[in-house]
Amino acid sequence: GAGVSQSPSNKVTEKGKDVELRCDPISGHTALYWYRQSLGQGLEFLIYFQGNSAPDKSGLPSDRFSAERTGGSVSTLTIQRTQQEDSAVYLCASSEVGSAGTDTQYFGPGTRLTVL
Amino acid sequence: KQEVTQIPAALSVPEGENLVLNCSFTDSAIYNLQWFRQDPGKGLTSLLLIQSSQREQTSGRLNASLDKSSGRSTLYIAASQPGDSATYLCAADFSGGYNKLIFGAGTRLAVHP
Repeated sequence: GAGVSQSPSNKVTEKGKDVELRCDPISGHTALYWYRQSLGQGLEFLIYFQGNSAPDKSGLPSDRFSAERTGGSVSTLTIQRTQQEDSAVYLCASSEVGSAGTDTQYFGPGTRLTVL
Repeated sequence: KQEVTQIPAALSVPEGENLVLNCSFTDSAIYNLQWFRQDPGKGLTSLLLIQSSQREQTSGRLNASLDKSSGRSTLYIAASQPGDSATYLCAADFSGGYNKLIFGAGTRLAVHP
């Protein structure tokens, strides 16, 4: 079946512009996660959605970052007034039941964001 | 602070060798630990997940162990092949089952023929 998809695969933008990154999780997965992988660093948790519950935004690095998940499916990560330090690969993952702690996360291929 | 550390950062071995990748974590209140593989330009592929109540998990040539008391996990790869070349990441769930993973920086493995 279809896996997690993300778009665009690559995004180049100018400093100060806003960008939107999209994630389509696996159908039926109730939990969705966003991570960031910066050059030379490990993956960093950003935000977590579980069903209709309020999202866990504890990993967002600043108020320039926001995310929403419409209809419990597609999610959009928005970065406003991008800075060069926002350059990274943004990865999305989904799992069947996030709160069980037993479910594997399936990752998308990521969006590589470059801020000039 | 909850942290995950992986050693070594890079490893190069000849084909056929058995090898061990190490992962350590700072909080013994771990809910589960996962090992992933990342190929260049691609997302992560889950390899093994070990619950805190388990000691090890096996899948094919891969075996992962978990020792909560010492804060360590190892990934054992038997009879390595060139196709095993990738970056291997371990990730710990300290969030009580909400799967908010904290990742190590990874071990970049190269298996040469």
